[in-house]
Amino acid sequence: DAKTTQPPSMDCAEGRAANLPCNHSTISGNEYVYWYRQIHSQGPQYIIHGLKNNETNEMASLIITEDRKSSTLILPHATLRDTAVYYCIVRVAWVAGANNLFFGTGTRLTVIP
Amino acid sequence: DVKVTQSSRYLVKRTGEKVFLECVQDMDHENMFWYRQDPGLGLRLIYFSYDVKMKEKGDIPEGYSVSREKKERFSLILESASTNQTSMYLCASSLGQRNTEAFFGQGTRLTVV
Repeated sequence: DAKTTQPPSMDCAEGRAANLPCNHSTISGNEYVYWYRQIHSQGPQYIIHGLKNNETNEMASLIITEDRKSSTLILPHATLRDTAVYYCIVRVAWVAGANNLFFGTGTRLTVIP
Repeated sequence: DVKVTQSSRYLVKRTGEKVFLECVQDMDHENMFWYRQDPGLGLRLIYFSYDVKMKEKGDIPEGYSVSREKKERFSLILESASTNQTSMYLCASSLGQRNTEAFFGQGTRLTVV
């Protein structure tokens, strides 16, 4: 699985958009970009994933650059409950026999009132 | 809703004890995973399983073993607990198909004294 690089921490004002970057310059053609988050004292929670097109769901939007070497997770209107560690993961969509996930150290997002 | 349940939230064990961490999922998922989480190191994969009685080593399998006798249950075993195994342990499960998200339990905080 390709390695990812994320800033260790970010702040965002409540109600503003939070833009979390991720670099994955060694991504290969069959690898997807996944985002998870972990709120304090809970297990990680899936947010969104994509291959090359931008994706949006009820939680967030995922913008992937044309060369696929980086992506940005966007929380359109951050709330205090979005304070968490956000993990960007790049992995193949299917590995015969297993779908293992490798996490890095993530970005700690703090939403400020 | 998918539920991944870990048997204990907090556990304290003595050095040298045999420790069992149990994980049960209720959505008939093929894949199950065990991670440990330590400050500054993110989530590291210990073992995963893609079918009953099947197991694969992750990044850090040393000192651990696993058991998957039934599809819904995945056990992590510390044969002889050591203080460097003090950590947060997280279990996850996912469908055995492409592009599926993983669901995590709440975690077990194990302290070995």
